[in-house]
Amino acid sequence: KQEVTQIPAALSVPEGENLVLNCSFTDSAIYNLQWFRQDPGKGLTSLLLIQSSQREQTSGRLNASLDKSSGRSTLYIAASQPGDSATYLCAVGLNEKLTFGTGTRLTIIP
Amino acid sequence: EAGVTQFPSHSVIEKGQTVTLRCDPISGHDNLYWYRRVMGKEIKFLLHFVKESKQDESGMPNNRFLAERTGGTYSTLKVQPAELEDSGVYFCASATGRYTQYFGPGTRLTVL
Repeated sequence: KQEVTQIPAALSVPEGENLVLNCSFTDSAIYNLQWFRQDPGKGLTSLLLIQSSQREQTSGRLNASLDKSSGRSTLYIAASQPGDSATYLCAVGLNEKLTFGTGTRLTIIP
Repeated sequence: EAGVTQFPSHSVIEKGQTVTLRCDPISGHDNLYWYRRVMGKEIKFLLHFVKESKQDESGMPNNRFLAERTGGTYSTLKVQPAELEDSGVYFCASATGRYTQYFGPGTRLTVL
């Protein structure tokens, strides 16, 4: 059974800093891994999708990496802004269903 | 292009009542998924449709939950009768194949 862990559960950093969010999973037999953000009371917004054959994906200030063999993914956010404050979720995909972690609540301090 | 929409946004019902949640996927997306998050837990998969067919319903908690997708367009998820432990946020997502799943805003269900 796939288990996804995100550490830390919460993180506060000053504005402008670069930061890394971590995601680990127990079963490396995955199709893809997706990073989402969720704002309070809102739905999930997809940030990046990494296919199992890829090592990383980039979108603007975001960079996600995937190491299937070690069961790890990281989401790197450069030059953080207050608008980046949200809960970040990673989800691993297998057989077209996603298994989610519990998320990291990120607060950017102005 | 419209995103995934869900209705209602919030539903409050009493234990034993019936509730029906609706999801309209992004136009052209054959794959439709239901997930839910109960208080304090991670989001969990419920089921997956490809067009009107149930591809995987391994996450459905019990037979009080019934999902349909008539005509391969919108989907409904009915809970009958509702129990207290059914409270949570129900998310719908759609996708084209094994690619990005796009999520709706969710329906918050409260069972009293």
